[in-house]
Amino acid sequence: LAKTTQPISMDSYEGQEVNITCSHNNIATNDYITWYQQFPSQGPRFIIQGYKTKVTNEVASLFIPADRKSSTLSLPRVSLSDTAVYYCLVGALSGYSTLTFGKGTMLLVSP
Amino acid sequence: NAGVTQTPKFQVLKTGQSMTLQCAQDMNHNSMYWYRQDPGMGLRLIYYSASEGTTDKGEVPNGYNVSRLNKREFSLRLESAAPSQTSVYFCASSEVGTGTYEQYFGPGTRLTVT
Repeated sequence: LAKTTQPISMDSYEGQEVNITCSHNNIATNDYITWYQQFPSQGPRFIIQGYKTKVTNEVASLFIPADRKSSTLSLPRVSLSDTAVYYCLVGALSGYSTLTFGKGTMLLVSP
Repeated sequence: NAGVTQTPKFQVLKTGQSMTLQCAQDMNHNSMYWYRQDPGMGLRLIYYSASEGTTDKGEVPNGYNVSRLNKREFSLRLESAAPSQTSVYFCASSEVGTGTYEQYFGPGTRLTVT
């Protein structure tokens, strides 16, 4: 699985847009990019997944440049409840999928 | 629809004791996984079961055994607990061929080995 690098922590205020960038220089042709969110004392939760360009759902947007060596998770107008750890994962979709989690990015949203 | 359930939620063991962590999912998923998460760290894969009847080692399998009892249930056993196994254990499941990388996680079991 491709190695990912993301900031250890980020701070923001309520109502701001937050962009978390993940670097994955060794991404393979059949790899997808997936983001998970984890609140304290809970299991991770799937947020969004993409292969190229832009993907948007009701929670976030994922921007992937043409070379796919990085990706940016965008959270619009964050609230206090968005305080969590965000993990970027890269890997191929197959019959089953084993995930490799790094340390993630701890996002702290303040009032 | 409870999703992925895990029992117990908390457990304290003495070194050398054994125990089994239980996991069940009601989403009819083929694949199931066991992870551990140490403080300030990401999750590390212990074992996984791609489908009923198969199990494979993940990144950190030493000291653990697993059983895929049926399609719904996947248990993790510690035969002789060690303090290094103090961690939070998460079970997860996913479906084959859905076109996403989405795994559904349980609430976790917090294990302390003294």
